[in-house]
Amino acid sequence: EVQLVESGGTLVQPGGSLRLSCAVSGFTVSSNYLSWVRQAPGKGLEWVTVIHSDGKTDYADSVKGRFTISRDNSKNTLYLHMNGLRAEDTAFYYCATSTVGATYGDFDYWGQGTLVTVSS
Amino acid sequence: DIQMTQSPSSLSASVGDRITITCRASQSISSLLNWYQQKPGKSPSLLIYAVSRLQSGVPSRFSGSGSGTDFTLTVSSLEPEDFATYYCQQSYSPPLTFGGGTRVEIK
Repeated sequence: EVQLVESGGTLVQPGGSLRLSCAVSGFTVSSNYLSWVRQAPGKGLEWVTVIHSDGKTDYADSVKGRFTISRDNSKNTLYLHMNGLRAEDTAFYYCATSTVGATYGDFDYWGQGTLVTVSS
Repeated sequence: DIQMTQSPSSLSASVGDRITITCRASQSISSLLNWYQQKPGKSPSLLIYAVSRLQSGVPSRFSGSGSGTDFTLTVSSLEPEDFATYYCQQSYSPPLTFGGGTRVEIK
């Protein structure tokens, strides 16, 4: 059974850094696409980044140059490294994956989310 | 970036009603359009992918249609558990983008 469990969300000051983790079970992180999607409290969904099975990455313009997606095959864990955090990065961060469709963006599995709050 | 525009942003309906939500893409996305349902305090869940393919376990009262730039999600007869927020999303090209959401409330 596929499970995604995020952790690492907390309160951080503007300009600070944080690393989120997503523990994966049910498949190996190197075998599938994995994305981060965020949602500001009370707002809509925003795709953040993806890591392809071949290691290629893509980012939303809003985080490019500040966030980095990575994975640790030995721990079967996905990460999101966030630097230069801004108030507008405050959101629930979900890891998500696709096992159904023809693209990496058909998210049929989601984690429960972890809250990042950027505030002084 | 491809912009996804959903309408309406909210609607009130009664149990048993038929509802339709529309989603328009700013350019053609072929058939790479997905629909999600999100209930308060929960993660989104995939309802329909590739325009009309029902995700496993999703009731058949949900259906999707469209192609190119214009798409619809229809719920043929609302059940109490269907009151939620619905999002469309294109998976045609990065950055993947979502519609602004449609909140379906009880009348």
